[in-house]
Amino acid sequence: DSGVTQTPKHLITATGQRVTLRCSPRSGDLSVYWYQQSLDQGLQFLIQYYNGEERAKGNILERFSAQQFPDLHSELNLSSLELGDSALYFCASTTGTDEKLFFGSGTQLSVL
Amino acid sequence: SQQGEEDPQALSIQEGENATMNCSYKTSINNLQWYRQNSGRGLVHLILIRSNEREKHSGRLRVTLDTSKKSSSLLITASRAADTASYFCAIGYSGSARQLTFGSGTQLTVLP
Repeated sequence: DSGVTQTPKHLITATGQRVTLRCSPRSGDLSVYWYQQSLDQGLQFLIQYYNGEERAKGNILERFSAQQFPDLHSELNLSSLELGDSALYFCASTTGTDEKLFFGSGTQLSVL
Repeated sequence: SQQGEEDPQALSIQEGENATMNCSYKTSINNLQWYRQNSGRGLVHLILIRSNEREKHSGRLRVTLDTSKKSSSLLITASRAADTASYFCAIGYSGSARQLTFGSGTQLTVLP
């Protein structure tokens, strides 16, 4: 167990809908990363937050947004969902100075 | 792309044999990390090797780094069925996890 908690584990929704994925980092970790994993794109970095502030952006679509709250948990919001958004979404956390990531077990999103 | 290129994409061996996976990259790095992912689960950090190191060991894992060839190898000795997983190299272009870029992975199957 990495100590990173993601909910829900599975999510099935329809095109055009909006969903929110939640992540609780390891105790003491200030930095949260979001990744998308799909068969054709592999593991893609989406966005990073550190202590409530956005620190880095990767291949995140404008339809997607994220935030990190004062208690350090983070949410990834996906809107106007398309079939191609179906993927496994991971959250990972670090202390902020650590070089390695601790991953949650992911949220499997299926857009029908 | 700055991500690592891994080969082979898939590897199937018998229990007890050694498994070797390779990762190549294109520019200077700060560190290189290896992660394991069991089917549908989160990634687990295995080992980190810095750019000024040539070899590192962790249990049955041995990682080498050749910065002149811009490549790394992960060797798993005396493999077990439980080693069946996908293995990813992650290129660290700075001393922060923020710049970590994942390769496409090697699917290892260890047959009992």
